[in-house]
Amino acid sequence: AQRVTQPEKLLSVFKGAPVELKCNYSYSGSPELFWYVQYSRQRLQLLLRHISRESIKGFTADLNKGETSFHLKKPFAQEEDSAMYYCALTGGTSYGKLTFGQGTILTVHP
Amino acid sequence: EAGVAQSPRYKIIEKRQSVAFWCNPISGHATLYWYQQILGQGPKLLIQFQNNGVVDDSQLPKDRFSAERLKGVDSTLKIQPAKLEDSAVYLCASKQQAMNTEAFFGQGTRLTVV
Repeated sequence: AQRVTQPEKLLSVFKGAPVELKCNYSYSGSPELFWYVQYSRQRLQLLLRHISRESIKGFTADLNKGETSFHLKKPFAQEEDSAMYYCALTGGTSYGKLTFGQGTILTVHP
Repeated sequence: EAGVAQSPRYKIIEKRQSVAFWCNPISGHATLYWYQQILGQGPKLLIQFQNNGVVDDSQLPKDRFSAERLKGVDSTLKIQPAKLEDSAVYLCASKQQAMNTEAFFGQGTRLTVV
């Protein structure tokens, strides 16, 4: 069975501080990993996916297959980064179906 | 491009009543999903359509939930009868095809069962 774990429900940092949102997964195979973000009063939207290996809004995430992790990082947090962040995976016979973690609420204080 | 549209945005019903949600995906998107998001949890897939056919409904409580996408475009999700534990946000998402992995989500319908 595939599973995504986000150990932190809440994460608070000050503006300009580095931030790391943790994500661990369980999957027997080669999954595709994503980070989705939901800003206040907005819909859930894709932030980045590991196959793109791109940086979006200063965020990066590296897939570590050895540790089965896909942590989201940003060196200098901004107040507008405050949102709910979900890690998700897809793969195998359920390709296209997303399995989400429980989410982490990030609050960036001024 | 217009996003995924869902209605209603909010719904309050009493337990044992029936309720239906509607979703209009992005034009041309063949794949449509319904997710249930209970407060404090991540979205959980209920059902996946490819055009008008069901691809995965393994997590749909079929004794009370049903969904259809008759013409391969709009979709409705129904709950009959509702239980208190059905209180959640119901999200619709669509993508161009199953192998295109970016899904676009609607605003969701927040259901409260009292």
